[in-house]
Amino acid sequence: KAGVTQTPRYLIKTRGQQVTLSCSPISGHRSVSWYQQTPGQGLQFLFEYFSETQRNKGNFPGRFSGRQFSNSRSEMNVSTLELGDSALYLCASSPLGTGGTEAFFGQGTRLTVV
Amino acid sequence: DQQVKQNSPSLSVQEGRISILNCDYTNSMFDYFLWYKKYPAEGPTFLISISSIKDKNEDGRFTVFLNKSAKHLSLHIVPSQPGDSAVYFCAASATSNTDKLIFGTGTRLQVFP
Repeated sequence: KAGVTQTPRYLIKTRGQQVTLSCSPISGHRSVSWYQQTPGQGLQFLFEYFSETQRNKGNFPGRFSGRQFSNSRSEMNVSTLELGDSALYLCASSPLGTGGTEAFFGQGTRLTVV
Repeated sequence: DQQVKQNSPSLSVQEGRISILNCDYTNSMFDYFLWYKKYPAEGPTFLISISSIKDKNEDGRFTVFLNKSAKHLSLHIVPSQPGDSAVYFCAASATSNTDKLIFGTGTRLQVFP
């Protein structure tokens, strides 16, 4: 069974641009969450999607958005990029969406804003 | 407000000895706790979890202990091996229909020969 796939793995963007990151969950998993990891900050929760609906959103500005498609694949978008958006963005999928089970992570997308 | 705290940024342990990683939480609604291991530039890998109805869960060399009254959990690795060297994250969830995880800031474990 294939794991969580994130594309692209690496990305360099300029301040002010926008970026879209993609996540394909494990087959059969319906819940997808996104996290941002920056040095010294651990993993910060961005948002959670289940059955194409956003269930939870973390404390990030409106420049960060996402969506989930009917096949459970998810995208996140960051508009008007700032230098501080440079981070490792991680996607995780879970099988049931009811909580109480482990989340499986992809390898992440390393975004560098210059 | 950091709801999940790992107060030790790093830990160094000799191979064969026990590694003990600690985690504290503040939100009494958390009822499911997990430990993840992470290497640089990779996604976290699930290690072990525990539900709030238990106080101990064991899987091979890894054991997680939960003290609900103290809002504290710990991960024990026995015996420690050099391949265990990585960053370990504690995570917590209030599981009512959500998979949202709140992570600590991580503890870097180094196991030396």
